[in-house]
Amino acid sequence: SQTIHQWPATLVQPVGSPLSLECTVEGTSNPNLYWYRQAAGRGLQLLFYSVGIGQISSEVPQNLSASRPQDRQFILSSKKLLLSDSGFYLCAWSPGLTGMNTEAFFGQGTRLTVV
Amino acid sequence: AQRVTQPEKLLSVFKGAPVELKCNYSYSGSPELFWYVQYSRQRLQLLLRHISRESIKGFTADLNKGETSFHLKKPFAQEEDSAMYYCASTYNAGGTSYGKLTFGQGTILTVHP
Repeated sequence: SQTIHQWPATLVQPVGSPLSLECTVEGTSNPNLYWYRQAAGRGLQLLFYSVGIGQISSEVPQNLSASRPQDRQFILSSKKLLLSDSGFYLCAWSPGLTGMNTEAFFGQGTRLTVV
Repeated sequence: AQRVTQPEKLLSVFKGAPVELKCNYSYSGSPELFWYVQYSRQRLQLLLRHISRESIKGFTADLNKGETSFHLKKPFAQEEDSAMYYCASTYNAGGTSYGKLTFGQGTILTVHP
């Protein structure tokens, strides 16, 4: 069966420090991968998605970047964190090469607090 | 731009009462709608999707294109229904959507005994 791992679960980082959140998927090949964020008082917002190795699309301009060095690995990064980067980050995957009605499977999330 | 709106941030009902979680969307095309749920200490997971027209855990949701709504309903709420509920959509703008979801702000449902 497929599983998705996301870590760490919580993270407190000072302003200006770098960030690296990692997400891996097991039990499937060529998944679509996503990073979502929930900021305080707002819904989940798609940050990045990837349909293949090295293929990253950004949905909103921001201080973050994403990379997909391997088929089932998705990394969210920042060189210098801002206070506004605080939030709850969710990694998700869905089967690749499918249409609109595919279920997305979510990781447990990372609570990031920038201080 | 796509938008999904859940007007109620919090919703409280008593056990056995009917519950309706509201969701409205705005699109120029034909979206596909979903309800996702997150129970305490669990991952966000799919509850139901409009295309399936199914009832899951007693919940149903009907897509009303005239009102651009996709409200989630259950005739008799149970305590175990207490959770965060997200309405979400994806759409096909002439190509594949790649499964990208647009979420509402979420509604926290509390069912009191």
